[in-house]
Amino acid sequence: AQKITQTQPGMFVQEKEAVTLDCTYDTSDPSYGLFWYKQPSSGEMIFLIYQGSYDQQNATEGRYSLNFQKARKSANLVISASQLGDSAMYFCAMREGRGAQKLVFGQGTRLTINP
Amino acid sequence: ETGVTQTPRHLVMGMTNKKSLKCEQHLGHNAMYWYKQSAKKPLELMFVYNFKEQTENNSVPSRFSPECPNSSHLFLHLHTLQPEDSALYLCASSQGGESWDEQFFGPGTRLTVL
Repeated sequence: AQKITQTQPGMFVQEKEAVTLDCTYDTSDPSYGLFWYKQPSSGEMIFLIYQGSYDQQNATEGRYSLNFQKARKSANLVISASQLGDSAMYFCAMREGRGAQKLVFGQGTRLTINP
Repeated sequence: ETGVTQTPRHLVMGMTNKKSLKCEQHLGHNAMYWYKQSAKKPLELMFVYNFKEQTENNSVPSRFSPECPNSSHLFLHLHTLQPEDSALYLCASSQGGESWDEQFFGPGTRLTVL
């Protein structure tokens, strides 16, 4: 079974609109961390935001916020006021258990921002 | 130099060649990683080094041989590769230990095996 599922292969959004990228995960470990990364065409993976399984509040970093719904096992990324530079691949990833270093990635979503 | 650097950025090699990929991190981290990113597949973890000790080998074929001489440098030695090994190889580093720190990635090496 896939640990991380991103159901949207591609999304097209108008500039300045908000966009939500979906991510669901599967784990039986009560302690885990969820990450979102952005990969522009240059190839480098850029860390965006992190949510811990015990965090009480949803994580926010500037225009990025994470809509964490633990019971549903979902960790959707919300980008507010999208910009042309947001066009990229976006990956959701999970680490299970404290001390673990293995990151499991989803298939990714290609986001295209239209002017 | 800052962050994580990788050389070369592009590599074309034949199946009988031997080559090495190099990764260097300037972040003072203790853990380093190799990932493989093939077209239309999720990023796959290959190896993890924590304080220079290999802690994860994700069933990688022996034609890929990692080396971590110190916490700042990581190599991936390649020999007798197959065309299906063509991919983007990404190196990453993190603080290591038990912290929930994010991994910082390099720009990757685009490998083509003929």
